[in-house]
Amino acid sequence: DSGVTQTPKHLITATGQRVTLRCSPRSGDLSVYWYQQSLDQGLQFLIQYYNGEERAKGNILERFSAQQFPDLHSELNLSSLELGDSALYFCASSVALVGELFFGEGSRLTVL
Amino acid sequence: AQSVAQPEDQVNVAEGNPLTVKCTYSVSGNPYLFWYVQYPNRGLQFLLKYITGDNLVKGSYGFEAEFNKSQTSFHLKKPSALVSDSALYFCAVRPQNRDDKIIFGKGTRLHILP
Repeated sequence: DSGVTQTPKHLITATGQRVTLRCSPRSGDLSVYWYQQSLDQGLQFLIQYYNGEERAKGNILERFSAQQFPDLHSELNLSSLELGDSALYFCASSVALVGELFFGEGSRLTVL
Repeated sequence: AQSVAQPEDQVNVAEGNPLTVKCTYSVSGNPYLFWYVQYPNRGLQFLLKYITGDNLVKGSYGFEAEFNKSQTSFHLKKPSALVSDSALYFCAVRPQNRDDKIIFGKGTRLHILP
């Protein structure tokens, strides 16, 4: 158990809908990362937050947004969903900016 | 552009034999290097890291990796493979002098044959 909690584990929704994925980092970790894993694209970095502020941005679509709250949990919002958004979404956390990442078990999103 | 390459999509090794999973990188400056393992339907688990110091790094489950600056490589190794080592392995790099984006390779699927 990495100590990173992601909910929901599975989510099935329709095209055009909006979903929110939630992540609780390990106790004491200030940095939260979001990744998308799909069969054809591998592990894609989406966005990183550090102590509530956006720190780095990767290949995150404009339809996607995220935030980190004062209690350090983070949410990834996916809107106007398309079939291609079906993937496994991982959250990871680290103590500092240069440490190893600890991953949650992921949220599997299926868009029908 | 900064990148990580895992040249083999799949590696097959007989149980008890040594294994190597290759990783090369291209980043500016000195990198932080990591290996992660992913079992089916699970999140990635940290195996080991190189920050500085000894080029041979030891990690979890008997794995080790060797940092080679001249060849810009960070290959993962294990002297004697177990069937339970079968999984997806990811190499990752974080540039020291850039923003905090961690770049992952595409992953190498390791099959240990009984």
